[in-house]
Amino acid sequence: QQQVKQSPQSLIVQKGGIPIINCAYENTAFDYFPWYQQFPGKGPALLIAIRPDVSEKKEGRFTISFNKSAKQFSLHIMDSQPGDSATYFCAASGNAGNMLTFGGGTRLMVKP
Amino acid sequence: GAGVSQSPSNKVTEKGKDVELRCDPISGHTALYWYRQSLGQGLEFLIYFQGNSAPDKSGLPSDRFSAERTGGSVSTLTIQRTQQEDSAVYLCASSSHVSYNSPLHFGNGTRLTVT
Repeated sequence: QQQVKQSPQSLIVQKGGIPIINCAYENTAFDYFPWYQQFPGKGPALLIAIRPDVSEKKEGRFTISFNKSAKQFSLHIMDSQPGDSATYFCAASGNAGNMLTFGGGTRLMVKP
Repeated sequence: GAGVSQSPSNKVTEKGKDVELRCDPISGHTALYWYRQSLGQGLEFLIYFQGNSAPDKSGLPSDRFSAERTGGSVSTLTIQRTQQEDSAVYLCASSSHVSYNSPLHFGNGTRLTVT
């Protein structure tokens, strides 16, 4: 059973655009929501994370928006650059642990 | 410092053969995870080791899959009698402890191809 659903599967934007990737979860015990970035041939790397006590978190050009009542969260990339082209995974975990359940991934391409 | 190291980076094997995949976590990290990433798919949890506790094997897809962690450091994932559906990238990750402030650090994975 897929407990974290991610969309879209792929996304193409022009440089400077604002790609938005959405995730929805089912398990109300989840209380930690990280995003990972993966370049080809590399393992995923933590990008930014949020806990449900806040509705938004920004780190540089990356912002997570969180809607607890809807059980949804999203990643926004401001002023996107070609170097942001990668696969992005949302994830979730609960019980103060980092046993992560991952979404299916979004392949982002930022065109110059 | 050194990150999570996985070997081999690529492995091609014939259906029915056994394979062993190795993971060297970051020194001092007590938690170690194995995930599987199939083509175009997300990451599927396989197994989790935390210190000296019994591993959480709840994600292993069949009894052909097993893993061990020796001395609380290096881990080996073994797949017996490989099948074509086992073809995937196997990712290992470690973290310093289990908490929100301890992110997972992933290796670059082992790409397994079963012919």
